[in-house]
Amino acid sequence: GQQLNQSPQSMFIQEGEDVSMNCTSSSIFNTWLWYKQDPGEGPVLLIALYKAGELTSNGRLTAQFGITRKDSFLNISASIPSDVGIYFCAGQQISSGSARQLTFGSGTQLTVLP
Amino acid sequence: NAGVTQTPKFQVLKTGQSMTLQCAQDMNHEYMSWYRQDPGMGLRLIHYSVGAGITDQGEVPNGYNVSRSTTEDFPLRLLSAAPSQTSVYFCASSFGNLYTFGSGTRLTVV
Repeated sequence: GQQLNQSPQSMFIQEGEDVSMNCTSSSIFNTWLWYKQDPGEGPVLLIALYKAGELTSNGRLTAQFGITRKDSFLNISASIPSDVGIYFCAGQQISSGSARQLTFGSGTQLTVLP
Repeated sequence: NAGVTQTPKFQVLKTGQSMTLQCAQDMNHEYMSWYRQDPGMGLRLIHYSVGAGITDQGEVPNGYNVSRSTTEDFPLRLLSAAPSQTSVYFCASSFGNLYTFGSGTRLTVV
């Protein structure tokens, strides 16, 4: 199947610091999505990106859809303790028979130290 | 509250046992899917359905069956559980590319 390479795998940062994570793929995606998963819960959508080059913010979160359509990054500014969790990127291609399927990255485990 | 409901939340099975993981959504979404989550591997698609009566295989379908008799329900069946199926299972429904995930079922096969 398709692969999304997400890095880093884990991060330990001090409260107040900025953090960046990214995903790359050998395939082109029409949509990039970023999710956060809290312990014991399912992923929750943070940001959706629909156009190459698009830069979108959601509060302290900023994500960009790479110009080649093969990569995306997520930045979190001024981290706070509730940012702790696993962050996933996901790519979506629109093709016959597999419309709306998501391919997920392996996740970035974020720990925020007080 | 509207959303995706998964039951049970936890389950322990012995090798060879069968069980059904339940998933129900009340958002009238046509598209539903099942994923498994394993450490360091993200979420991998098991089966999906684009509407009642239509199902198809995802990336890792072996050992799992699904059916979709109604828009609301999309159960996942393990016919003969194996230790390799120890995982956390998530059901999702979607409208367009906006997915709503259930809170997961943690399954252990011993």
